[in-house]
Amino acid sequence: SQTIHQWPATLVQPVGSPLSLECTVEGTSNPNLYWYRQAAGRGLQLLFYSVGIGQISSEVPQNLSASRPQDRQFILSSKKLLLSDSGFYLCAWSASEGGNLGNTIYFGEGSWLTVV
Amino acid sequence: EDQVTQSPEALRLQEGESSSLNCSYTVSGLRGLFWYRQDPGKGPEFLFTLYSAGEEKEKERLKATLTKKESFLHITAPKPEDSATYLCAVQGYKAAGNKLTFGGGTRVLVKP
Repeated sequence: SQTIHQWPATLVQPVGSPLSLECTVEGTSNPNLYWYRQAAGRGLQLLFYSVGIGQISSEVPQNLSASRPQDRQFILSSKKLLLSDSGFYLCAWSASEGGNLGNTIYFGEGSWLTVV
Repeated sequence: EDQVTQSPEALRLQEGESSSLNCSYTVSGLRGLFWYRQDPGKGPEFLFTLYSAGEEKEKERLKATLTKKESFLHITAPKPEDSATYLCAVQGYKAAGNKLTFGGGTRVLVKP
């Protein structure tokens, strides 16, 4: 069965410091990968998605970047964090095949980021 | 642009008091409508996918239905363990990478 791992679970970072959140998926090949952010009490906002190694699409202009160095690895980064980057970050995956039926997206457990 | 609106934002129920959550959507060709449950501090847990108007799916005390403009999540005789935030999302045919557009969620609190 497929599993998704995301780490670290919680981190507190000072303003201006770098960020690296990592995510790996097991049990599937060539998945679509996603980074979502959830502000407190709000819905999920898609930040980045990737349909293959080195292929990154950005949904929202921001202080963050994403990379996919391996098929099942997705990394969210920042060179200098802002206070507004605080939030709950979720990595997710879906099968890559298309077709008329929607492909379910499965989420990791999330990473709480507090920028102080 | 795909849009999803969920109502109400919050719902307080007594144990056993059935109710419904609403998800209104606009999408350029619906590929799928998804319901998730999210517990505090956790990632969303997949519940259902609905593909076409008239479709219904059930899981324990939850039943999801779909029309051309909205979906309902019915909670029958809820228990305290049904307390969570319920998220609705759509996936359109034009959604590159199978990405989902989410609503703001409905926070459900079931009191014993």
